Parts: sequence; structure tokens; C-alpha cells
Amino acid sequence: AQTVTQSQPEMSVQEAETVTLSCTYDTSENNYYLFWYKQPPSRQMILVIRQEAYKQQNATENRFSVNFQKAAKSFSLKISDSQLGDTAMYFCAFTSRDNDYKLSFGAGTTVTVRA
Amino acid sequence: EAGVAQSPRYKIIEKRQSVAFWCNPISGHATLYWYQQILGQGPKLLIQFQNNGVVDDSQLPKDRFSAERLKGVDSTLKIQPAKLEDSAVYLCASSLDRTPYGYTFGSGTRLTVV
Repeated sequence: AQTVTQSQPEMSVQEAETVTLSCTYDTSENNYYLFWYKQPPSRQMILVIRQEAYKQQNATENRFSVNFQKAAKSFSLKISDSQLGDTAMYFCAFTSRDNDYKLSFGAGTTVTVRA
Repeated sequence: EAGVAQSPRYKIIEKRQSVAFWCNPISGHATLYWYQQILGQGPKLLIQFQNNGVVDDSQLPKDRFSAERLKGVDSTLKIQPAKLEDSAVYLCASSLDRTPYGYTFGSGTRLTVV
């Protein structure tokens, strides 16, 4: 079974600054998919960004980018120019064909953006 | 397109009572998932449906939890009898098929067992 570890329970960042969230995972597979989800107080999981393991280029979505280190099994999320609306829980998630594309989540990191 | 609908949004029950949650996935989505999210933790998969059949219920505590997806559309998750440790958010998600893309989550039901 795959395990996903997020070692930072909470992070705080000043508005307009940059924050980086860490995630490591454990798998013996070569082909898999990684995601960062945002969960605001409304509780709905919102996809922030995804990375296919077969792609070497790091994914970017506007102010969000990842640093995918396949050999180290590391997948960090960088939020640039933080905005108050970025305040939420962030979850790292893993899936693969071998587990029938079920998502395995980390424990989450609470991000608070200060005005 | 409409999102994944879940109800109720909140539920408070006493231990040993029963409770049911309802999920209406996105139209045409064949795969449906129920996740349990205990406060301070990431969601954990309880059960996965493909149309109206169960694909994986290995993490479902079958002595008290049951789920069904009649006609391959709506789904109901039931707990009977509830325990204090069942207090959690129950999230429903759906996807077009068994793919890594296109997961859509509902807003969940927050269950408090007292």
C-alpha cells in the first residue's frame, strides 16, 4: 500500500509572500500520479495541481507550482504571491493504476495567510 | 455541470443510533467513492463502486457500516449502530470511470456522535 507523508501540520505566510509545503510518498511503482488538493472551510476538495510521474517537467498552475523529485519520492507545492483566499487545508494525494486509481491522502497541512 | 450533491450537511446523533448519508454523483460518472475524514487527518477510502457494483470495500467496517448504489446512480452510506469514533466528515466523490483524472468531490456530511 502506498503511504503519503506531510510533515508540516501548520504553515503561516504573509500575504504576497511564498510558502512551500512538503510531501513524501512511498511506492514501488514507476507510473503513478500525484496531486495537491485544497480544502477550504466549505469542506469541498478542490484540485490545485497534478503531476504525472512519467513527466520530467514540473507542473505549474498560475501561482501554484510543484517540485517533483521522483528518485527522492518528494512532491512539494509552492504557493507564490499568497492571497487571503489561499487559507485552507492542503492535502497531498497519490494514485496509480495498480490501486485502481483510488486516492491515498496525506494528513494535510493547514495554511494560514496573514494580512 | 452540477457537482456532487451530498446530504445532510450536518448530523448529530447519540451513540448506538443509526444514520444514513446520501450522495448524488455527477451525471454519467460510473465510479463513486465514499471517504471518511476524521478531524486533523486526510480522507480515507471506505468503499468504491463501479456502476452499481462494489469494487473495493476492504476498509469498510462491515459490522456497522453498509453502502449501496442502486441503479448505478445515487448512493447511500449507513452506520448502525454509531460509535463515538465515527465522528468525522463523510465525503463522496465521483469520476467518469476508473481514471486518475476528473475526480469531483462533494462538500461532505459532518457527523457528530455524542
